[in-house]
Amino acid sequence: AQKVTQAQTEISVVEKEDVTLDCVYETRDTTYYLFWYKQPPSGELVFLIRRNSFDEQNEISGRYSWNFQKSTSSFNFTITASQVVDSAVYFCALSLSGGAQKLVFGQGTRLTINP
Amino acid sequence: GAVVSQHPSRVICKSGTSVKIECRSLDFQATTMFWYRQFPKQSLMLMATSNEGSKATYEQGVEKDKFLINHASLTLSTLTVTSAHPEDSSFYICSAEPNYGYTFGSGTRLTVV
Repeated sequence: AQKVTQAQTEISVVEKEDVTLDCVYETRDTTYYLFWYKQPPSGELVFLIRRNSFDEQNEISGRYSWNFQKSTSSFNFTITASQVVDSAVYFCALSLSGGAQKLVFGQGTRLTINP
Repeated sequence: GAVVSQHPSRVICKSGTSVKIECRSLDFQATTMFWYRQFPKQSLMLMATSNEGSKATYEQGVEKDKFLINHASLTLSTLTVTSAHPEDSSFYICSAEPNYGYTFGSGTRLTVV
């Protein structure tokens, strides 16, 4: 069975600080996908990134960056120079490959950026 | 991009009544639709997987007679909460995977009073 753990339940930082959200996953499969989603107070899920298990390159998108390390089964997410608009709940998730597969979500990290 | 339209976004119903939630894939065909439930300050938990033209597969602990799922066409899946009770109050969200990533509906916040 697959499992995703986000140990940080809540994080609160001051605007412009950098913040890293941790994600650790478990799966016995060699082919899988990892995701990060943002859930603002309105509830919808905003897709941030998808990474397949064969691609360990780090990715940067503006102020967002992701560090994927298969050796430690981690897929961490860093926000640089945080802004108040980054305040939301962030979910890490995993799916297996092949056909339509369900997403297994972590518990989520509630990020609060204070002005 | 692929869009899943979910309605209603918010519903308040009386205890004992039934509520239907619809998810439509607008620009792609959704052979499979996933239904998740999210209680306040908790994560999303998969309730069931619906496949067009066949019976839904429910996760352990989800009452299939209470949460009726119909996926009669490639663009429409519905979740009906029957005889709703206050403990069914939650955020329900559907998701499909149009080949290149998951797309989610905007969610339905159900409140049973």
